[in-house]
Amino acid sequence: GAVVSQHPSRVICKSGTSVKIECRSLDFQATTMFWYRQFPKQSLMLMATSNEGSKATYEQGVEKDKFLINHASLTLSTLTVTSAHPEDSSFYICSAVRDRVAEQYFGPGTRLTVT
Amino acid sequence: AQRVTQPEKLLSVFKGAPVELKCNYSYSGSPELFWYVQYSRQRLQLLLRHISRESIKGFTADLNKGETSFHLKKPFAQEEDSAMYYCALSGLFGNDMRFGAGTRLTVKP
Repeated sequence: GAVVSQHPSRVICKSGTSVKIECRSLDFQATTMFWYRQFPKQSLMLMATSNEGSKATYEQGVEKDKFLINHASLTLSTLTVTSAHPEDSSFYICSAVRDRVAEQYFGPGTRLTVT
Repeated sequence: AQRVTQPEKLLSVFKGAPVELKCNYSYSGSPELFWYVQYSRQRLQLLLRHISRESIKGFTADLNKGETSFHLKKPFAQEEDSAMYYCALSGLFGNDMRFGAGTRLTVKP
């Protein structure tokens, strides 16, 4: 199978601090990784598309200086929420695409709470 | 603009009844269409994609390019089908990913 992990699964941080979330493809190389945000009882909102070795492509309305994405290798992408505020509290989900197969494999998500 | 529309937020049927979850899309080009499912306390997972033409867990979905629809159907719903269902589209290489708002299906005994 194709497994994607996220770490941490839950994080609580204070307002003004930065938080890093990791997304790893465990048994395949991911040419592309996606970062989503999901509000309670709502759909997934694509934040950015990340390709290994290049800059992430952000969706309209997503602040790239606030949500820093690094896709340093074919198995790891990180999302750093900088200067977090309570309104950044959400469920963040990553997914990965293997080679040119468009099917996405999802991570379990990370629950971020900013106090 | 790329868009996926799922008109029903909630859908409730009785066990054994047919079920259809609607999905319409707009995309300039030839998209790939998917249905993803999220069972309670589990991660999102692929249910089926239009190019594979498979029937998964009794579900099928036909791509209708004329109506730009990709409705998900099952002739006899089961209680274990209760979940959140998302219709999604992407470009050929996983780009332009868009999800619909989702439909929560409840199958009552």
